[in-house]
Amino acid sequence: DAGVIQSPRHEVTEMGQEVTLRCKPISGHDYLFWYRQTMMRGLELLIYFNNNVPIDDSGMPEDRFSAKMPNASFSTLKIQPSEPRDSAVYFCASSPPRGGGYNEQFFGPGTRLTVL
Amino acid sequence: GENVEQHPSTLSVQEGDSAVIKCTYSDSASNYFPWYKQELGKGPQLIIDIRSNVGEKKDQRIAVTLNKTAKHFSLHITETQPEDSAVYFCAATPNDYKLSFGAGTTVTVRA
Repeated sequence: DAGVIQSPRHEVTEMGQEVTLRCKPISGHDYLFWYRQTMMRGLELLIYFNNNVPIDDSGMPEDRFSAKMPNASFSTLKIQPSEPRDSAVYFCASSPPRGGGYNEQFFGPGTRLTVL
Repeated sequence: GENVEQHPSTLSVQEGDSAVIKCTYSDSASNYFPWYKQELGKGPQLIIDIRSNVGEKKDQRIAVTLNKTAKHFSLHITETQPEDSAVYFCAATPNDYKLSFGAGTTVTVRA
């Protein structure tokens, strides 16, 4: 398997523009997580899904952020409108079905977002 | 929610020496404690984890210890090698899913 795939790897946009980040989880994984990493706040969980259903979105910073998972192999994180403080690296991670205490989250390579 | 503190923020060791990173957590309900390694330009990768019913776990040169009473856990890397240079994150969670990460430790192994 190719691992978790994220696109684009780098995104530069101007303040006010809409940004869409994409993620393809590992096949067979039923948990999907979106994280944001910054120097100031570290690695923060934004939202996670189980079987395509959002379970906890308490980490989503504000209404400008939204995430969807229309099917088991695709998820998006959208920021509209974007602001300079949204600049960060966004990671998607996936995890296999729970069983036997197996918990590993497999991270993608991340999308580096710069909002000018 | 869970709050995880991690120390030190940077650690420089001579190749072959040991490295120790310490974390404390606040939620006594936390029962799963993974450690992730992040190399430059990549996503974090799990290197070892421990559950609350175990006090210590070892995997080759890496070991993790857990003290539930004191609410702290540590990562030990022995016989460090240049490829151990990376950022290490501890994390804790009470429900297996919602990880709270420490701020990270940048480890540099000097040749």
